[in-house]
Amino acid sequence: DAGVIQSPRHEVTEMGQEVTLRCKPISGHNSLFWYRQTMMRGLELLIYFNNNVPIDDSGMPEDRFSAKMPNASFSTLKIQPSEPRDSAVYFCASRQGRGESPLHFGNGTRLTVT
Amino acid sequence: DQQVKQNSPSLSVQEGRISILNCDYTNSMFDYFLWYKKYPAEGPTFLISISSIKDKNEDGRFTVFLNKSAKHLSLHIVPSQPGDSAVYFCAASDNAGNMLTFGGGTRLMVKP
Repeated sequence: DAGVIQSPRHEVTEMGQEVTLRCKPISGHNSLFWYRQTMMRGLELLIYFNNNVPIDDSGMPEDRFSAKMPNASFSTLKIQPSEPRDSAVYFCASRQGRGESPLHFGNGTRLTVT
Repeated sequence: DQQVKQNSPSLSVQEGRISILNCDYTNSMFDYFLWYKKYPAEGPTFLISISSIKDKNEDGRFTVFLNKSAKHLSLHIVPSQPGDSAVYFCAASDNAGNMLTFGGGTRLMVKP
């Protein structure tokens, strides 16, 4: 299994531009999570999906952020318009089951907004 | 409000000695606790977990201890190896298991 695949690995964009981050979860996993890592706030949960349905998006910082999961094998996190304070590493993770079932993380997308 | 806290941002240990990483939580609804390890430029990887019905779980060199009354857990690595140098995250989820809240991480450096 290739694991969770995120693209791109690095993204540099100018303030005001639209940014789309992509994630392919592990096949068979029924939950997908988007996390953001910053120095100030550590790893914070943005949104998660169960069976492709968004369950809790209370971590999404603003309306500029949106996430979709059109099918079990693909999810996107979009920022429009982007701002310099959005600069962070964005991780996607997937899991089969709940509770003690561990999350499997992708290698992240490092976003820099200038 | 940080529900999961790792108060030591870094820890330095000599190879062969014990590493003890600590984690405190505030939410009494947390039922599962997990430790993740993260190398630079990679995503966190699962290390070991423990359910709230247990107070200890061991896997090779790694042991996690849970003290529910103190809302405290710790990860022991014995013996520590240079390859253990990484950032360690403590995480917790409630009994629904749908959400996972992470601590801020502790950077472990194991010196040869």
